[in-house]
Amino acid sequence: AQSVTQPDIHITVSEGASLELRCNYSYGATPYLFWYVQSPGQGLQLLLKYFSGDTLVQGIKGFEAEFKRSQSSFNLRKPSVHWSDAAEYFCAVLNNAGNMLTFGGGTRLMVKP
Amino acid sequence: EPEVTQTPSHQVTQMGQEVILRCVPISNHLYFYWYRQILGQKVEFLVSFYNNEISEKSEIFDDQFSVERPDGSNFTLKIRSTKLEDSAMYFCAGGNTGATRETQYFGPGTRLLVL
Repeated sequence: AQSVTQPDIHITVSEGASLELRCNYSYGATPYLFWYVQSPGQGLQLLLKYFSGDTLVQGIKGFEAEFKRSQSSFNLRKPSVHWSDAAEYFCAVLNNAGNMLTFGGGTRLMVKP
Repeated sequence: EPEVTQTPSHQVTQMGQEVILRCVPISNHLYFYWYRQILGQKVEFLVSFYNNEISEKSEIFDDQFSVERPDGSNFTLKIRSTKLEDSAMYFCAGGNTGATRETQYFGPGTRLLVL
């Protein structure tokens, strides 16, 4: 069965600092991976996705993620965090049939001024 | 940019009551989903729906749950007899390509509280 692990429940960074959120997946085939962000009281907004091709994918709001098959990872990065990035971030993997996402537990990001 | 909408945003109900959560997907979406997130826990898949049929469901989606798309626009999730443990945020999602690796676009959620 597929699974996603986000090892960090909470992360606090200073505004302007770089950010890396970790995501590890377990999946038998080529994974199709997503990062979503959930701001307080809001739904899940797609940040970026990896289907195939270039292992470094660019998303909205200046985020990027790198797929590393050898490490079963899909870590999310941003070079300079803004206060508005404070939110909860979810990594997810799509099943083979393409009709079910499995989410990680989420990482709550706090940004210090 | 079109968005998935959900109503109501919040609902409080008594245990044993029926609730219907509504979603209006983006108009060209063909595939529809419900997920839930119990407070402090992961987002969990409930069900996927295509061509007026359930295409996948999780163990959570038992006989107390049902989905339908009665009028070709709204997509509903019904819980027949709510339990305390049904309290959660329920998210609707949709996708449109019909390809096997489609992206799912989520609504803002309905927060359900069962007392």
